[in-house]
Amino acid sequence: GESVGLHLPTLSVQEGDNSIINCAYSNSASDYFIWYKQESGKGPQFIIDIRSNMDKRQGQRVTVLLNKTVKHLSLQIAATQPGDSAVYFCAETNQAGTALIFGKGTTLSVSS
Amino acid sequence: DAGITQSPRHKVTETGTPVTLRCHQTENHRYMYWYRQDPGHGLRLIHYSYGVKDTDKGEVSDGYSVSRSKTEDFLLTLESATSSQTSVYFCAISGEAGGVSEQFFGPGTRLTVL
Repeated sequence: GESVGLHLPTLSVQEGDNSIINCAYSNSASDYFIWYKQESGKGPQFIIDIRSNMDKRQGQRVTVLLNKTVKHLSLQIAATQPGDSAVYFCAETNQAGTALIFGKGTTLSVSS
Repeated sequence: DAGITQSPRHKVTETGTPVTLRCHQTENHRYMYWYRQDPGHGLRLIHYSYGVKDTDKGEVSDGYSVSRSKTEDFLLTLESATSSQTSVYFCAISGEAGGVSEQFFGPGTRLTVL
């Protein structure tokens, strides 16, 4: 069945370090991928997305890498700050292309 | 932030009672979604709508129904709530079809079924 997973449920880093959050996906036909950040008590917030015709996309302090060969997606956060502490979800298009399938999330903890 | 509100924000109810959650948007987006979020499961799609009166089932639709009589409102109904429906419910909207663009999420409704 369809599934989107993250390699690690938790990640702890020091302030100023770079963070890398990984995600493996199963639908080789997916053509759209997205990362969300969710802070405690709030709804998920869009961070960055990427389409399958790209392998890298950069935003402000964030970079998403897509490796379609091994069906792997990663989110890199540069100079991680305490405000980056949250749960991060990756998502991919479902088989029908009608909805997003979310992974279970990685909790990022940033200590100062 | 996208104009999405959910009501109520918190609700405690008893097993067997009907419950309706409301999602209201001011963005005039065509697509609307209901998800539930549980520990260890992430976000799972319950139902979605691709226009007024047009809805379809998601991954975990059993025990839930939806209605969309206006562009701005998407209602989720639990006809007879069960304890397994205790969860945090999120509404989301998007301007394009569900799998091809970002979705914007509401603040969530925490539902407890005793």
